[in-house]
Amino acid sequence: AQKVTQAQTEISVVEKEDVTLDCVYETRDTTYYLFWYKQPPSGELVFLIRRNSFDEQNEISGRYSWNFQKSTSSFNFTITASQVVDSAVYFCALNSNSGYALNFGKGTSLLVTP
Amino acid sequence: GAVVSQHPSRVICKSGTSVKIECRSLDFQATTMFWYRQFPKQSLMLMATSNEGSKATYEQGVEKDKFLINHASLTLSTLTVTSAHPEDSSFYICSARNLRASGYEQYFGPGTRLTVT
Repeated sequence: AQKVTQAQTEISVVEKEDVTLDCVYETRDTTYYLFWYKQPPSGELVFLIRRNSFDEQNEISGRYSWNFQKSTSSFNFTITASQVVDSAVYFCALNSNSGYALNFGKGTSLLVTP
Repeated sequence: GAVVSQHPSRVICKSGTSVKIECRSLDFQATTMFWYRQFPKQSLMLMATSNEGSKATYEQGVEKDKFLINHASLTLSTLTVTSAHPEDSSFYICSARNLRASGYEQYFGPGTRLTVT
């Protein structure tokens, strides 16, 4: 069985602060895929990143960065210099094949205040 | 990029009526589509997997007679909520699977917010 845990239910930061969203996963598969999605109040899911289990390189995309550590089964997401527009719910997700349905964590609600 | 649409985006219906939600892949063929449900302030939960030309596979606890899924073409899957009740009020999101050279990619629709009064 697969499981994704996002222990942080809500996080509130002041603009320009850095913030890290935690994601811990469980799977018995040796091949799997990890995802992060952003869900603004409109509800539409915005794809942020996909990582496969064989690629442990950290990724940076603008103010966003991801730290994948198989040793701790974690795939954490950091927003540097947060902005009000970053306010949203962020979901971490997992599947064992890129074509399979996703198992989502419970999400972390991020509020960035001016 | 690949686009998935859903229609309607919002729907309000009376208790006891049925409502149909469409999920379309606009620029690719999707042999498989997934239907998720999201209650307020909760995560997305998979309801069913829809395969073109065959019966849908439902997750445990999802009533197949209540949530009818039809995937009659490679670009369209529909979810019909029959005899809707207020507890069916939720956000319904579909995703479509596209086979690309690098493997499968999934694309989510914008969601349909259902309110049953």
